[in-house]
Amino acid sequence: AQTVTQSQPEMSVQEAETVTLSCTYDTSESDYYLFWYKQPPSRQMILVIRQEAYKQQNATENRFSVNFQKAAKSFSLKISDSQLGDAAMYFCALSNDYKLSFGAGTTVTVRA
Amino acid sequence: EAQVTQNPRYLITVTGKKLTVTCSQNMNHEYMSWYRQDPGLGLRQIYYSMNVEVTDKGDVPEGYKVSRKEKRNFPLILESPSPNQTSLYFCASSFQPGLLYEQYFGPGTRLTVT
Repeated sequence: AQTVTQSQPEMSVQEAETVTLSCTYDTSESDYYLFWYKQPPSRQMILVIRQEAYKQQNATENRFSVNFQKAAKSFSLKISDSQLGDAAMYFCALSNDYKLSFGAGTTVTVRA
Repeated sequence: EAQVTQNPRYLITVTGKKLTVTCSQNMNHEYMSWYRQDPGLGLRQIYYSMNVEVTDKGDVPEGYKVSRKEKRNFPLILESPSPNQTSLYFCASSFQPGLLYEQYFGPGTRLTVT
């Protein structure tokens, strides 16, 4: 069985500041992928960033970056220069074999 | 445009009345999956399909059925809906099974069972 835990139900950030979302996971597999998905009020699931477990280099996509600590089974997301459009629920997810497991989500609000 | 479509987007029904939520993708993806989203629980996998006529249970399959007779379609069937199946449902597809390096999600179906 695999599990994903997001311990922060809500986070608030000032516009232009940085916020970090936490995610820990548990899996017995050595080969897997980790993801962060964004869900705005429209409910659409949008892939933010992806990390292959065998790659040591942390993934980066524009203002979004991850801190992947494989030994600690930790996968945090950093949003830099936060914008009003970043306000959404963010889900951490883990995939291996044929299953994709999600955390409970973190709601991010951005203060103008 | 590459996309996953779901119908209906909103549905209110009564306990015990059979319903089907359709899902279709136009990307020739082999892998398709259904999830339900509930507050505080995130998304949980209901069923998945690795290819035509190949389906398997996810983490919460009770009360649901699926079929995969064509590659592009993967309907979710609730034979006798109950109020605990009130949820937001997502269909998703991926180019191949195995490691799901990216899934494309449909827009979601909000189901209310009274």
